Order: sequence, then C-alpha cells, then structure tokens
Amino acid sequence: SAVISQKPSRDICQRGTSLTIQCQVDSQVTMMFWYRQQPGQSLTLIATANQGSEATYESGFVIDKFPISRPNLTFSTLTVSNMSPEDSSIYLCSVASGSYNEQFFGPGTRLTVL
Amino acid sequence: AQTVTQSQPEMSVQEAETVTLSCTYDTSENNYYLFWYKQPPSRQMILVIRQEAYKQQNATENRFSVNFQKAAKSFSLKISDSQLGDTAMYFCSNAGGTSYGKLTFGQGTILTVHP
Repeated sequence: SAVISQKPSRDICQRGTSLTIQCQVDSQVTMMFWYRQQPGQSLTLIATANQGSEATYESGFVIDKFPISRPNLTFSTLTVSNMSPEDSSIYLCSVASGSYNEQFFGPGTRLTVL
Repeated sequence: AQTVTQSQPEMSVQEAETVTLSCTYDTSENNYYLFWYKQPPSRQMILVIRQEAYKQQNATENRFSVNFQKAAKSFSLKISDSQLGDTAMYFCSNAGGTSYGKLTFGQGTILTVHP
C-alpha cells in the first residue's frame, strides 16, 4: 500500500479565487488520480495525472478549470480555478498500486466556497 | 462504459449482527476488478475487500465477505459480527482491466451500527 498526504486538509475560499491542492506519495507511482466528492455524493474521477505528460480529463472536466501538474513520480497538484459555490466538495487524490487495480486514497481536502 | 448501482441509500444493524449491502454493476470488459471501500466520518477512503472477476471463489477478509455472482453482475458485501467502528459510508466500485486504476463508484450506502 501507499501512504498519501494532502494539503490543505480544508479551506474556505471566496468565489472567483483559485486554490491549489497538493498530493504527496511516499513511493514512486506512475499514475495518480484526482476525484471530486460533492456533499453527500459518490466520488467522480476528474483526471488521471501521469508524470511527463498532460493530464487526461474525464467528460465534464476541463483543464482550464482544473489544471493539474505532475512534476515527478511522488507529487501532484490540482488547482480549482475561478471558484464558485458549486465547487464546494471534497477533493481526493489516489494512486493505483499492484496488479489488482486497487487504489489508495489520500485523506481528502474539504473545500468550501462562499 | 462501466456503471455501478447501489440501491440501498441507508442501512442499519445492531452490534454483533450480520448485514448485507447490495451492489450491481455493468461492464463491457472481460477482465475487471470489484472493490468495496469504506468511508467513515473522517472521510478517509479505506479498501475493505477486492474481487478479481476471473476468480469464482468469493473473497473474504476477516468479518467481511462478498457474494460475487458474475452472470448476474452482482457483488454484495456481508459484514458479520458488526462493530460500532463499521459505521461508515460504503462504496462499491469497479475497475476495468484495460483502464488501470480508474474506478467507477456506486452511489454509496450509509451503514449505521447501533449498540
């Protein structure tokens, strides 16, 4: 398994501003994932971040709104840009490990946009 | 495309009793993986159990076991000897063999264990 940390753990932001969430893994991994969990809802995949290439976004998510960086094999950032109250969610990063496609998750970042 | 459906928004069980959470899925993949994750109020996602689709034997992890019915595309989770610490949201999820690491989640079931 992998140990994953996220910063910040929570934040309250004003609409129109941007927030960058950091995800750090204790081992080198090829693929990192970013999920959004809206209040009371399930998890939805935002994008897959591979080191050395642009992130791959899922339908409904665009790079201008959620730019992602992946500078090395242990670190990634997700920026939530030009925030609105609808962006209030928990954002989780995860890594896939082993041969079973299972994922290990960070503790999440709880974002509230006023 | 993959879909995962959990039809029980909420369940409750008495401590020490057994409870079963339901999940159905759909996938076009021949090789895939199924998982149950637990999310307690701390919001940390914890892997409970996994099942490889090519294995007919149902997975078991201590008090947690699954009933995997491949033809019916059903993947239920049984929790035996329920404990207060089992109170959490439970998510069923599916990962296709060709889309390494990308999980599709069900809507979740809130399980409450009562003393």
